[in-house]
Amino acid sequence: GESVGLHLPTLSVQEGDNSIINCAYSNSASDYFIWYKQESGKGPQFIIDIRSNMDKRQGQRVTVLLNKTVKHLSLQIAATQPGDSAVYFCAETTGTASKLTFGTGTRLQVTL
Amino acid sequence: ETGVTQTPRHLVMGMTNKKSLKCEQHLGHNAMYWYKQSAKKPLELMFVYNFKEQTENNSVPSRFSPECPNSSHLFLHLHTLQPEDSALYLCASSLGGSGSYEQFFGPGTRLTVL
Repeated sequence: GESVGLHLPTLSVQEGDNSIINCAYSNSASDYFIWYKQESGKGPQFIIDIRSNMDKRQGQRVTVLLNKTVKHLSLQIAATQPGDSAVYFCAETTGTASKLTFGTGTRLQVTL
Repeated sequence: ETGVTQTPRHLVMGMTNKKSLKCEQHLGHNAMYWYKQSAKKPLELMFVYNFKEQTENNSVPSRFSPECPNSSHLFLHLHTLQPEDSALYLCASSLGGSGSYEQFFGPGTRLTVL
């Protein structure tokens, strides 16, 4: 079946550095992607999204890049802060508004 | 806060117990979801309700029974669960309809089945 996967289970970065979290997907029909952040004891929280007709989208300190050729998605966090420590999930959908497929998650650890 | 609340936050139950999880959204959304989150596994979609109608049942065992009395409330009734059902159960809501993909999650109920 189609799947969404993450390259690294854990990423450790120093405070102030930039973080890059990667995600691979296998469904070429996927047309919408979301990044979620889940802190300990909380539910996933929306960070940023991107549609398949875009290559890049920027938010506050975050940028999502989409490479449809290789089916790869990345989340870049600028000037990583201790509050960014969490598990990050990518999710995709093929146009069914109510059905997202989630990856397993990458844990981001920010060191001082 | 996301506007989606869940109660209880923690639940410990025996395999013969009957309990219910409750979810409430204050966002005016029309779609609600139940997910199961286990360690080191992707979120598993369990049920979807759109405008109070169940539109998705992802091959969930009958010991899990959802109920959606209105667009703001969602329940998950639990009966005769197994230890492998221990997990974090997340509720989410979205606008519903086409073009509204973003889902807003509650904090989850941590369920332990003894």
